[in-house]
Amino acid sequence: QSALTQPASVSGSPGQSITISCTGTSSDVGGFNFVSWYQQHSGKAPKFVIYDVNNRPSGVSNRFSGSKSGNTASLTISGLQAEDEADYYCSSYTSSRTLVFGGGTKLTVL
Amino acid sequence: EVQLVESGGGLVQPGGSLRLSCAASGFTFSNYALSWVRQAPGKGLEWVSGVSDSGGLTFYADSVKGRFTISRDNSMNTLFLQLNGLRAEDTAVYYCAKEKVPTIRYMSAFDVWGQGTLVTVSS
Repeated sequence: QSALTQPASVSGSPGQSITISCTGTSSDVGGFNFVSWYQQHSGKAPKFVIYDVNNRPSGVSNRFSGSKSGNTASLTISGLQAEDEADYYCSSYTSSRTLVFGGGTKLTVL
Repeated sequence: EVQLVESGGGLVQPGGSLRLSCAASGFTFSNYALSWVRQAPGKGLEWVSGVSDSGGLTFYADSVKGRFTISRDNSMNTLFLQLNGLRAEDTAVYYCAKEKVPTIRYMSAFDVWGQGTLVTVSS
């Protein structure tokens, strides 16, 4: 099972919006609405910020939103803040009854 | 407080074995599927293995199939991962993670993660 494809890095200034893409296949992202996004600060365990494509867990800022079109899912962070600087990973359930993560995207807040 | 605490990591020689444990608290352990996710130094997340709420169903990544065995003891609220035939590329921090949706889902979203335990495979 190949990893989902994410850009290695994205950046934005405080207050701006950024979008991170996550591309898979019809056997994972395109075939199921079980796409999640995780935020990981350096040296810390991951924290989930979006589940089931576009659902936000309680306690997660409404600046985080998710979507999906075909085999590509996206995470959008609006009103960028310094604390958003972290690595972000997408994941998807697969038709092989496994889970696959994306390679990760490093978000830099300029 | 919902909590997962991993233990059992350490330094092991290539070809060796190790057993990781993950102690859970703060939720009804037997209602939720659990997974192990690893992260090699400086690398991304890699799902390793999952187990259903009852323990009757197990799932593995191709990279560890036949070498690692996941299990759980619902009476002890503990998840295990037996690592055999270890290779240098298995060096990573191993996290246990709890599935968000009880019973009917296995690996869709992980709402609780442990702090991780480091496994180093080296001679």
